[in-house]
Amino acid sequence: NAGVTQTPKFRVLKTGQSMTLLCAQDMNHEYMYWYRQDPGMGLRLIHYSVGEGTTAKGEVPDGYNVSRLKKQNFLLGLESAAPSQTSVYFCASRRNSGGRDTQYFGPGTRLTVL
Amino acid sequence: GIQVEQSPPDLILQEGANSTLRCNFSDSVNNLQWFHQNPWGQLINLFYIPSGTKQNGRLSATTVATERYSLLYISSSQTTDSGVYFCAVLRAAGNKLTFGGGTRVLVKP
Repeated sequence: NAGVTQTPKFRVLKTGQSMTLLCAQDMNHEYMYWYRQDPGMGLRLIHYSVGEGTTAKGEVPDGYNVSRLKKQNFLLGLESAAPSQTSVYFCASRRNSGGRDTQYFGPGTRLTVL
Repeated sequence: GIQVEQSPPDLILQEGANSTLRCNFSDSVNNLQWFHQNPWGQLINLFYIPSGTKQNGRLSATTVATERYSLLYISSSQTTDSGVYFCAVLRAAGNKLTFGGGTRVLVKP
């Protein structure tokens, strides 16, 4: 049981390049989330999903797209990276139990946009 | 939306000291979690504690749901306790955790 995994762990992009971050969970959780964390700051929600085939915007969705084609995977895409997207990205998942359950985080992806 | 406030924002401890971190929230919740973000950036689950008291080693937590606050106790602190402690809550009808701003803890040897 690996929990929540993220690929890649580190990435450096040039402005304007695109990339996809992959989050995978093996706990059969319905809910999945993407957050970003800037240095010295808290977590900000980018997008989330309440089940396979669904996505919804969080508080900072601009510049990002997501897809949840399979229940176990949640992809975060940057179509045209900007230096303002330099951050650490965390994925998380949680079981759908009316909110009464633990949310688990992945190890994070450190992204630098030059 | 629900407001979550953590105090104090920063805490410096001498190794071996005890401390209490507080999380206040503005509405009824059915999920409250405490996380520790270690100096390497990992987010570690400490407690799922929407009400009551739990203990795990030197750490314990108490949530008084009717008064809308939770406390995290660190006893006999160690340098490995350094990092940021986050409280996060979820309302009954919500899908997303709301995080507090965190308490940054530094334990000095």
